[in-house]
Amino acid sequence: EDKVVQSPLSLVVHEGDTVTLNCSYEVTNFRSLLWYKQEKKAPTFLFMLTSSGIEKKSGRLSSILDKKELFSILNITATQTGDSAVYLCAVLGADGLTFGKGTHLIIQP
Amino acid sequence: EAGVAQSPRYKIIEKRQSVAFWCNPISGHATLYWYQQILGQGPKLLIQFQNNGVVDDSQLPKDRFSAERLKGVDSTLKIQPAKLEDSAVYLCAIGNRELFFGEGSRLTVL
Repeated sequence: EDKVVQSPLSLVVHEGDTVTLNCSYEVTNFRSLLWYKQEKKAPTFLFMLTSSGIEKKSGRLSSILDKKELFSILNITATQTGDSAVYLCAVLGADGLTFGKGTHLIIQP
Repeated sequence: EAGVAQSPRYKIIEKRQSVAFWCNPISGHATLYWYQQILGQGPKLLIQFQNNGVVDDSQLPKDRFSAERLKGVDSTLKIQPAKLEDSAVYLCAIGNRELFFGEGSRLTVL
């Protein structure tokens, strides 16, 4: 059974701080790893990673994948209150798309 | 970006009652998914359709849950009878590698 573990489960930081969210996985027939941001509604797509060591970047968010150590990180620099959300990591493998429990990030003003 | 409309947005029922959710992909897409997201957890796949056919329903509690996709477009998910532990948000998604989610249907079972 495919497994995705995210850490920390929750994180509270101040505006302007930099945060790193972690995602480790055990997946049969790995195809890709995806990051989503979920506020009060549906998850919205952030990144898809398929190759090790290639950083994906979008504004203040960036992510990288290590297929040898089976993990990914999501970095957010200069955090803003609008970054407060649950960040979900999901891995596409033999069992389809398996999600972790998410990291609940709270940015305090 | 693909759009996915879901209804109803909220539903409150008593245990042992029935409920149905609808998913209407605004843009046509061959692959459609239903996920269950319990509070504090990540989404869990219930069923995956490819056009009209079921690709994976291994985690669907078939004694009470059923789903269909007519004409390879819209889909319905039904729960009959509902249990307390079915309280969750039911998310419909489309896509192949990147999934695009609808806003979900929040079910509360009392």
